[in-house]
Amino acid sequence: QVQLQESGPGLVKPSQTLSLTCTVSGGSISTGSYYWTWIRQPAGKGLEWIGRIYSSGSTNYNPSLKSRVTISVDTSKNQFSLKLTSVTAADTAVYYCARGVWAFGIWGQGTMVTVSS
Amino acid sequence: QSALTQPPSASGSPGQSVTISCTGTSSDVGSYKYVSWYQQHPGKAPKLMIYEVSERPSGVPDRFSGSKSGNTASLTVSGLQAEDEADYYCSSYAGSSNWVFGGGTKLTVL
Repeated sequence: QVQLQESGPGLVKPSQTLSLTCTVSGGSISTGSYYWTWIRQPAGKGLEWIGRIYSSGSTNYNPSLKSRVTISVDTSKNQFSLKLTSVTAADTAVYYCARGVWAFGIWGQGTMVTVSS
Repeated sequence: QSALTQPPSASGSPGQSVTISCTGTSSDVGSYKYVSWYQQHPGKAPKLMIYEVSERPSGVPDRFSGSKSGNTASLTVSGLQAEDEADYYCSSYAGSSNWVFGGGTKLTVL
């Protein structure tokens, strides 16, 4: 079955850019009418939807993060990626990638990203 | 968009039923059938338990059920079991290709 795996640096300095990749296995990122999504969760807090991308490259972003977020897809590598610029301590969280259309049915295990100098 | 409102905690004894509420607005929960619920055990990724207000994915026990009235959605867990102890989050489509989550409810099985 389809599985998702996040990867990327666990530590990012303030004001720099956070970059994460989600690798999709067990199926093609281009198959089916799915959206590929990024969600984050600060320690001890709730979930926050960051944004999503369709295999065609069409994107949607959380209005509160839109100015700092870019989500892209590489269908040849079966991956999609997240870039978050000008990070601060408030961006410290577990970042999840997920698949879904009207709900998030498949999730990666999550990757912890700490913003600190 | 603001987060959906959930009670911080809920509890029940084994075998009992417990209901968790999720209150939004007429711009999200009240306007769309795309309300979903997620179960999260400590250190684990969330798991989809209910989608489109009341639909259960394959493999989710029928002890879990969902409903909606106006701007408030609800998740009911019947016949509580020890393994149901977890955090539960609701989510709703909020229009304009945006999504919003609730703050989460910690369910304790006494």
